[in-house]
Amino acid sequence: DGGITQSPKYLFRKEGQNVTLSCEQNLNHDAMYWYRQDPGQGLRLIYYSQIVNDFQKGDIAEGYSVSREKKESFPLTVTSAQKNPTAFYLCASIPAPGQGIDTQYFGPGTRLTVL
Amino acid sequence: KQEVTQIPAALSVPEGENLVLNCSFTDSAIYNLQWFRQDPGKGLTSLLLIQSSQREQTSGRLNASLDKSSGRSTLYIAASQPGDSATYLCARRARTFGTGTRLTIIP
Repeated sequence: DGGITQSPKYLFRKEGQNVTLSCEQNLNHDAMYWYRQDPGQGLRLIYYSQIVNDFQKGDIAEGYSVSREKKESFPLTVTSAQKNPTAFYLCASIPAPGQGIDTQYFGPGTRLTVL
Repeated sequence: KQEVTQIPAALSVPEGENLVLNCSFTDSAIYNLQWFRQDPGKGLTSLLLIQSSQREQTSGRLNASLDKSSGRSTLYIAASQPGDSATYLCARRARTFGTGTRLTIIP
């Protein structure tokens, strides 16, 4: 089955710890995205990558870091510098943005709770 | 900064009715617009993507339109069913998302 997988589904972190959220896709999509979703707010873009070994900050990148060493993988690290990390994190991908193949697909999400 | 607004925040309708969900955006730039549904605690599921050069897209009981001049998109759902109950979100260019309309279909 082709799709986007995120792990873990639930993650608990103590204050001051860094955690890494996994996102893998076997769709051969070029672009990958990370968003966070908070109650009552729309999705907010954290980071995105349109090509391997390259990524750009989104609207709320502070306290987060990413890497894109492989086309199929785009892990997100939530650092201790992120002031309010408790949220639902969503990973997404697009086949070939800007080339007319723009439908975005989402993973099932990871719910991060800071204790 | 571009804004995307969805009103109302919540909507309840009896089963079988046709309904329209609204999405407004603040600029008329040439971007595509995508509609999603989200079930509680789940990721987003793509429903329809309207390219900037298109005016509408249809899939089954769903029809989405895009009017760049007025800054509006609508999602029309025909013959609603209880399984349509979910939150519906619109998004511009994979960058700006509305807060969604929570739809409840009453059996």
